[in-house]
Amino acid sequence: DVKVTQSSRYLVKRTGEKVFLECVQDMDHENMFWYRQDPGLGLRLIYFSYDVKMKEKGDIPEGYSVSREKKERFSLILESASTNQTSMYLCASSFRNTGELFFGEGSRLTVL
Amino acid sequence: GIQVEQSPPDLILQEGANSTLRCNFSDSVNNLQWFHQNPWGQLINLFYIPSGTKQNGRLSATTVATERYSLLYISSSQTTDSGVYFCAVAPGDTDKLIFGTGTRLQVFP
Repeated sequence: DVKVTQSSRYLVKRTGEKVFLECVQDMDHENMFWYRQDPGLGLRLIYFSYDVKMKEKGDIPEGYSVSREKKERFSLILESASTNQTSMYLCASSFRNTGELFFGEGSRLTVL
Repeated sequence: GIQVEQSPPDLILQEGANSTLRCNFSDSVNNLQWFHQNPWGQLINLFYIPSGTKQNGRLSATTVATERYSLLYISSSQTTDSGVYFCAVAPGDTDKLIFGTGTRLQVFP
């Protein structure tokens, strides 16, 4: 079975802190994604990576950065957390072109 | 960018009823998937269906790419079908999947 593992299910951080969300997949997928999910807004793409060290901005990249140093790991970084970044963050991965997407369990971040 | 619209936004059914969920998209796509998000928040891939028809048990899906829509059919619904159903598409030659806002389904015994 495909496994996408997110490092933390629940995090509470203070405004201005640097936050790292880690995601690891075990299926040798080329593509990895970070989405955020908010009530009434659905899932919105933050960043997408199609290869090691490669990244593309999604629809809402402002305030976020990403790192993909190894194929299996994709990190989302909030350089200076703000209260409007309180959300559920979802990591996903897929093979290139065939594209069936698999999700992790999500990380619920609260910024106070 | 591409627009993805799902209807209806909410659906309430009694156990045993059938339902049809719709996904319209505004541009040609190379990838379309349906997902179910259970009440605990886990997203499960139901179908990878950029075109044609697929069936898996009580669920089936049809995508008519030339007319830019997809349908998800749920037959003999069960309480465990409750949750939110999302359609996601990737336009053109990209793998970037864009999600619709979902259909919230509640199935009562």
